[in-house]
Amino acid sequence: DAGVIQSPRHEVTEMGQEVTLRCKPISGHDYLFWYRQTMMRGLELLIYFNNNVPIDDSGMPEDRFSAKMPNASFSTLKIQPSEPRDSAVYFCASSTRLARAPSSSPSQYTQYFGPGTRLTVL
Amino acid sequence: RKEVEQDPGPFNVPEGATVAFNCTYSNSASQSFFWYRQDCRKEPKLLMSVYSSGNEDGRFTAQLNRASQYISLLIRDSKLSDSATYLCVVTPNFGNEKLTFGTGTRLTIIP
Repeated sequence: DAGVIQSPRHEVTEMGQEVTLRCKPISGHDYLFWYRQTMMRGLELLIYFNNNVPIDDSGMPEDRFSAKMPNASFSTLKIQPSEPRDSAVYFCASSTRLARAPSSSPSQYTQYFGPGTRLTVL
Repeated sequence: RKEVEQDPGPFNVPEGATVAFNCTYSNSASQSFFWYRQDCRKEPKLLMSVYSSGNEDGRFTAQLNRASQYISLLIRDSKLSDSATYLCVVTPNFGNEKLTFGTGTRLTIIP
């Protein structure tokens, strides 16, 4: 089975340009997550979706960032306009959640990460 | 205070040695705990979950201390392939939404 697919793998752009990152989750997974990773702040959750609906976007840094999930197999993260401080690795992850019972193995709904998009804004 | 804190390392450990990492978390209501592994320039991958009773997976042992709000990972008989960054992860509920990651502990196994 294909894992989470992200594109592009690398993006270099100039300040002020629009950047669009793409993600295809694992088929059958109904949760999709966008993360950003930097040396200083580590891995931060930006937003996540359940059944294509945004559930929590409290991690989105500011209005320049937006995310959409038009269908179960595709999501985008857009930065407009981009700034040098947006330079980071952006990961998409997906999971399927089976149960909330404490006796369930939490590993059943582990998040599977894509390879990431390394973004450099000059 | 960060929600999840880890010693960033680096830990440079000779092959075959035993190494242990600790991680502390601030939210006493946290319910699920994990260790993820991240190789250089790769994505994080689940290494193991951490249960209240402690759990072992081969050379890896994870422990949870709710009273002191810390999680530990022990690696025995370390191998060169164990070189990676180990991320401590907690969630506020039994599900998997909103994983909160520590910044990671970097481990290098020396031949």
